[in-house]
Amino acid sequence: DTEVTQTPKHLVMGMTNKKSLKCEQHMGHRAMYWYKQKAKKPPELMFVYSYEKLSINESVPSRFSPECPNSSLLNLHLHALQPEDSALYLCASSLILDRGTLMTQYFGPGTRLTVL
Amino acid sequence: GESVGLHLPTLSVQEGDNSIINCAYSNSASDYFIWYKQESGKGPQFIIDIRSNMDKRQGQRVTVLLNKTVKHLSLQIAATQPGDSAVYFCAERVQAGTALIFGKGTTLSVSS
Repeated sequence: DTEVTQTPKHLVMGMTNKKSLKCEQHMGHRAMYWYKQKAKKPPELMFVYSYEKLSINESVPSRFSPECPNSSLLNLHLHALQPEDSALYLCASSLILDRGTLMTQYFGPGTRLTVL
Repeated sequence: GESVGLHLPTLSVQEGDNSIINCAYSNSASDYFIWYKQESGKGPQFIIDIRSNMDKRQGQRVTVLLNKTVKHLSLQIAATQPGDSAVYFCAERVQAGTALIFGKGTTLSVSS
């Protein structure tokens, strides 16, 4: 299995809602990532989990809360979002080599989020 | 084939031409580089990678060139096809324990 899957594909939520994005991979990768991508822009890193522990947080607002329940799953919990948070949210995974080297990231198809 | 010396946001080519997409990366300490292809409505797809101790790497119809002196990366696509139409991103890894930093994308349009 060489795929990263994400659910849902599309999500529309109000500013007072709580929702979660889910990501799964079965490639044995021990690093998992969340990226945010606005239209016609490159992906921007949000969080990195290495061995199920949060290793990088790119100063993301607390209304985004990541969770890594096990080595195959990654969630992004959303609460009290703003319309400007509307974007494509991408999950990725990669191998980790010795000394913590993060290798090629493989991406899922993304969740298209719209905040009303 | 069509090529761009500086980064341009769009590149239009005819089917069968060779395409060259350029990228200037930011950090001279970066040790690993990747080209991704992103089609509309999809996530970025890995195309080819290169380590900083190499200056050229070839794949199927694609070649990546690395010029560390001027911090420049290029992707060459041979015999471009309509299915190659997409946004292409270069990405660099600045340090071994860090995630990739993406460059600005180039939209490749291939006409028949």
